[in-house]
Amino acid sequence: EAQVTQNPRYLITVTGKKLTVTCSQNMNHEYMSWYRQDPGLGLRQIYYSMNVEVTDKGDVPEGYKVSRKEKRNFPLILESPSPNQTSLYFCASSLSRAVGGTEAFFGQGTRLTVV
Amino acid sequence: AQTVTQSQPEMSVQEAETVTLSCTYDTSENNYYLFWYKQPPSRQMILVIRQEAYKQQNATENRFSVNFQKAAKSFSLKISDSQLGDTAMYFCAFMPPDRSGGSNYKLTFGKGTLLTVNP
Repeated sequence: EAQVTQNPRYLITVTGKKLTVTCSQNMNHEYMSWYRQDPGLGLRQIYYSMNVEVTDKGDVPEGYKVSRKEKRNFPLILESPSPNQTSLYFCASSLSRAVGGTEAFFGQGTRLTVV
Repeated sequence: AQTVTQSQPEMSVQEAETVTLSCTYDTSENNYYLFWYKQPPSRQMILVIRQEAYKQQNATENRFSVNFQKAAKSFSLKISDSQLGDTAMYFCAFMPPDRSGGSNYKLTFGKGTLLTVNP
């Protein structure tokens, strides 16, 4: 089954304790992205990757890191989480537009609470 | 930068009736893509319908259809024969066209409309 898998689904952590949210897709998509969803703000892009070893900042990158060492994986790293990073996080992937891709496939979401 | 505005934070509709969710956007682009995503209580983001700006014909997917007014930069979603399972948060989203040298396929989302379908 074609899917984007995020782990964990829920996470409660303490301020300053490094954490990683994993994202993996099995559709051979070039493009992957991370969003955060906050009440009243919709979803906002954190980072994106056009392909392996190619990453760039989105609209709200502060406090986050990403890596793209393999095509299928795009982990989100919080080196020193703070309470303002409490949010619902989504990973998404899509095909290159050059081959007609437009639809973004989303993971199930990760509910992160930083206390 | 593009912006997407959903002016209705909450709406409700009776089962089997029709409801329209509004969305307006601001862009200087000519070719772009517009989407409606549904987020039920499970939190999963589900694509409902998409529209390519270069297509004049409004997109339709079963009970879901859009009214795309390019000049007015309006992209409303009509849900016909509403069902209880349509209860969800609905997000309108904009995606820019390709750029030479690489593109960020960033989706710019509105703040969402919470739709409740009542029995």
